[in-house]
Amino acid sequence: GAGVSQSPRYKVAKRGQDVALRCDPISGHVSLFWYQQALGQGPEFLTYFQNEAQLDKSGLPSDRFFAERPEGSVSTLKIQRTQQEDSAVYLCASSLGRERYGYTFGSGTRLTVV
Amino acid sequence: EDQVTQSPEALRLQEGESSSLNCSYTVSGLRGLFWYRQDPGKGPEFLFTLYSAGEEKEKERLKATLTKKESFLHITAPKPEDSATYLCAGSSNTGKLIFGQGTTLQVKP
Repeated sequence: GAGVSQSPRYKVAKRGQDVALRCDPISGHVSLFWYQQALGQGPEFLTYFQNEAQLDKSGLPSDRFFAERPEGSVSTLKIQRTQQEDSAVYLCASSLGRERYGYTFGSGTRLTVV
Repeated sequence: EDQVTQSPEALRLQEGESSSLNCSYTVSGLRGLFWYRQDPGKGPEFLFTLYSAGEEKEKERLKATLTKKESFLHITAPKPEDSATYLCAGSSNTGKLIFGQGTTLQVKP
């Protein structure tokens, strides 16, 4: 597609429920990033893939967060046993390579844990 | 520790009133300084990348500049449609972006 597509756009989860957030990057983009954006704050790095390899997961806040990109295209961010503090917008970005090619962001998934 | 700080947090301007947004950064092995625009309910939209001190880039009413410690986003004669949150981010030597908290700009007609 022409842009980075994320689904669902909105997700309401009960505390303790597992959720899965999907990111479809721009075709051909080898790099894929996940960010978490709390209300009124800038995005914070979660994890980075180059093709199917997860090269950096230092930003994942706990072992309840898990990300995968098995075939080097679509990526899924999974959150197990959601907590209220997980409520945020989850943004996905993709790039041809690294910063010299720029990063294109999707519109995000707004997760609300009740 | 890598850090990016933006000021002010919020800025209100009258249409046509020029101003500047500040971004101070401490990012090890900085590989690029990015400016993004974010509208409510949307993802960040790329504006500029700056790579070395002294570099400047322009787009319509926006001009971004870079020094060794700061970047500025100058807005000349803004219009109401320039109202948005402007995010600054440094790309570290690992490739990830470290964002500031953003400056929310409101331009009144």
